[in-house]
Amino acid sequence: DIQMTQSPSSLSASVGDRVTITCQASQDISNYLNWYQQKPGKAPKLLIYDVSNLETGVPLRFSGSGSGTDFTFTINSLQPEDIATYYCQQYDKLPLTFGGGTKVEMK
Amino acid sequence: QVQLVESGGGVVQPGRSLRLSCAVSGFTLSRNAMHWVRQAPGKGLEWVAVISYDGSNKYYADSVKGRFTISRDNSKNTLYLQLNSLRPDDTAVYYCATDRRFPWGWFAPWGQGTLVTVSS
Repeated sequence: DIQMTQSPSSLSASVGDRVTITCQASQDISNYLNWYQQKPGKAPKLLIYDVSNLETGVPLRFSGSGSGTDFTFTINSLQPEDIATYYCQQYDKLPLTFGGGTKVEMK
Repeated sequence: QVQLVESGGGVVQPGRSLRLSCAVSGFTLSRNAMHWVRQAPGKGLEWVAVISYDGSNKYYADSVKGRFTISRDNSKNTLYLQLNSLRPDDTAVYYCATDRRFPWGWFAPWGQGTLVTVSS
């Protein structure tokens, strides 16, 4: 199975800060990498697919980059509504696997 | 508006069975692969199973293989997950999700989830 390692597992930031989350795959997954946002008590929501493609309606302050095994998710100018847990997910091979999640809190 | 609504969760004893349903509205189910993803309390996301758009192909996580069965009825726009031989570590919120890529890719949208609690 492809292991997805996310870091950090949690972070605290202020409104307006730039937040960066990394996701490392245990093997080359090309660009088969997605990012989700999950708010407490809610279902996850797709933010970015194929490394850097923004889902319709997702604010432009969210972005993604990377290829192969190393990927980055960025929130430019953190907003209060961005408080959530973020997950990466690979779909290069079954089983589809997620990173362990990064909980973003407000400082 | 696309909507997925899960049902069928509840409290069940170890070793018993349960069937989850996911009713889809707002789009034609027969065009998309569908998934079940679960989340144990306070834990991360775990992919459970996928079924192809026509039901001809099904794949499972090793943790549920041989115990869970995914199926679909495109005429009813409904996805199912049969859970047999349930164990306490199957306790989780179970989400259904649509896939927009062939054969699989990303989950969007998701249902609101249904909680399965396995306990004696």
